[in-house]
Amino acid sequence: GAGVSQTPSNKVTEKGKYVELRCDPISGHTALYWYRQSLGQGPEFLIYFQGTGAADDSGLPNDRFFAVRPEGSVSTLKIQRTERGDSAVYLCASSHQQFGGELFFGEGSRLTVL
Amino acid sequence: LAKTTQPISMDSYEGQEVNITCSHNNIATNDYITWYQQFPSQGPRFIIQGYKTKVTNEVASLFIPADRKSSTLSLPRVSLSDTAVYYCLVGANSGYALNFGKGTSLLVTP
Repeated sequence: GAGVSQTPSNKVTEKGKYVELRCDPISGHTALYWYRQSLGQGPEFLIYFQGTGAADDSGLPNDRFFAVRPEGSVSTLKIQRTERGDSAVYLCASSHQQFGGELFFGEGSRLTVL
Repeated sequence: LAKTTQPISMDSYEGQEVNITCSHNNIATNDYITWYQQFPSQGPRFIIQGYKTKVTNEVASLFIPADRKSSTLSLPRVSLSDTAVYYCLVGANSGYALNFGKGTSLLVTP
């Protein structure tokens, strides 16, 4: 596709449930990033993939959060036992450079945990 | 990662030039300065990136003094559609874990 695609755009779930958020990066981009943005705050780094491997997962808040990118393209962010504090917009970005460079963001997946 | 400080908000009228300054006193030698723009319900969008002196593209200019401890994003002749949050980021080109901070909320009015 022309840009980074994220699904679902909105997800409402109950506390304790499992959630998966999907990111389809720009074709050919080897770098993929996940960020989380709470209301009134800037995006907060979660995890960075280079190809299939997670090069840096230091931003994941705890072990309830996990992300995969098995074929080096689509990535899934998985959140177990969701908590109300997980409510936020989850942003995915991709880049054609191995390090840094211009990040192309999707429109995000808004997660609401009731 | 270098810490950045920028105004929380700014107001401007249409047609004026807007300058948003970002302080980054502990910028490292290999750090670049990057600015992003974000509209409500959208992901951030890259505006401009620079290392030193001046960089200009079709939407903005970035001024970086010799000591690189600050930078100024300049938006010429803003329009209502420039109302957005603007983020200043500092990090090495390998600094993928970019700290966006809270950004500057720019409001442009007629």
